[in-house]
Amino acid sequence: DGGITQSPKYLFRKEGQNVTLSCEQNLNHDAMYWYRQDPGQGLRLIYYSQIVNDFQKGDIAEGYSVSREKKESFPLTVTSAQKNPTAFYLCASSLRDRTIDEQYFGPGTRLTVT
Amino acid sequence: AQSVTQLGSHVSVSEGALVLLRCNYSSSVPPYLFWYVQYPNQGLQLLLKYTSAATLVKGINGFEAEFKKSETSFHLTKPSAHMSDAAEYFCAVTGGSYIPTFGRGTSLIVHP
Repeated sequence: DGGITQSPKYLFRKEGQNVTLSCEQNLNHDAMYWYRQDPGQGLRLIYYSQIVNDFQKGDIAEGYSVSREKKESFPLTVTSAQKNPTAFYLCASSLRDRTIDEQYFGPGTRLTVT
Repeated sequence: AQSVTQLGSHVSVSEGALVLLRCNYSSSVPPYLFWYVQYPNQGLQLLLKYTSAATLVKGINGFEAEFKKSETSFHLTKPSAHMSDAAEYFCAVTGGSYIPTFGRGTSLIVHP
């Protein structure tokens, strides 16, 4: 079955530590996205990538970094510079970078930083 | 520019009652519109999408939505609510950008 996997489901870190969230897709999609979800705030775009070795900042990129070395993989690093990292993180992909393409979402990673 | 407004952060219905979740959009170009559903601690799943082929769009789980250009609306409906419909619902728009703009979500509560 094709889909998007995110690991781990739950992640706990101490303040000041960097942490990397995994996102892998086997849908052969070109575009991939990272969102942050906080209660009552909907989805906020962190980074997105249209093709391998290229990515752009979204609305809330500060304190985050990404890489896109393979088409299937788009890991997100939450750095110690992110002031409030505790949140639910969602990875998504779409077939192309076209307005008609819907997004496919992974199951999410809930990050708690104490 | 594109934007979405979902009226009502919470909607409560009885099992068997009509479900109506409201979405109004703004777009400088003809839009594509989407409804997604999110169950607790899960990712979003596409319910349906409008691509200009037909104004009434049928989706999964008995949901449908009607595109009304004059009202800039794309409300989601289901004739009879089930307990399993309890979830968060998000409306999204593309058009000006391929990056969707999501609404803040509406939590559907279904009472037995």
